[in-house]
Amino acid sequence: KQEVTQIPAALSVPEGENLVLNCSFTDSAIYNLQWFRQDPGKGLTSLLLIQSSQREQTSGRLNASLDKSSGRSTLYIAASQPGDSATYLCAVLFSGTYKYIFGTGTRLKVLA
Amino acid sequence: DAGVIQSPRHEVTEMGQEVTLRCKPISGHDYLFWYRQTMMRGLELLIYFNNNVPIDDSGMPEDRFSAKMPNASFSTLKIQPSEPRDSAVYFCASSLTRRDTEAFFGQGTRLTVV
Repeated sequence: KQEVTQIPAALSVPEGENLVLNCSFTDSAIYNLQWFRQDPGKGLTSLLLIQSSQREQTSGRLNASLDKSSGRSTLYIAASQPGDSATYLCAVLFSGTYKYIFGTGTRLKVLA
Repeated sequence: DAGVIQSPRHEVTEMGQEVTLRCKPISGHDYLFWYRQTMMRGLELLIYFNNNVPIDDSGMPEDRFSAKMPNASFSTLKIQPSEPRDSAVYFCASSLTRRDTEAFFGQGTRLTVV
């Protein structure tokens, strides 16, 4: 069964800290992996999309890496800010299914 | 573009009533997806369309759920009759292609069935 797991489920850090969110998936045959941010009561905002042929993507203070062979992706947030507080979701598009499977998310709180 | 637009944002209805959720995808996007989000099950894909044609509806929970896409700029998700366990946030998303581009989500419709 194709599954996506995110650890930790919740994280609280002081402002300014660099942090890493983890995403693991059960099948290395994927088309792509996408990281999203969800604010309370809001929709999902796409942060980064990594194709299966890529190793990483960067956008501002965010860097996402992909290691297909080990079934892992990490989202690195540099110099965290209170405005980064949200739930971060990882979604994997497994080959042959054309369905994004979502992890359950990491709820991040950055303390001022 | 204004992004993916969903309506209504909130819906409260009584058990047994028909509920219709609406979605306007981003112009030019060929793929449209309906997701449901609950605390227990997270985000689940219900159905997706390609060029207005339903491709995979295996995630639709029961026959009470139906979805249509009469044209490239409009889709509906209907629940008839509604039940309390249908209470969830329903998201619509669209993407330019299936594999190579980002999926853009609407703000969601929070459905409460009492």
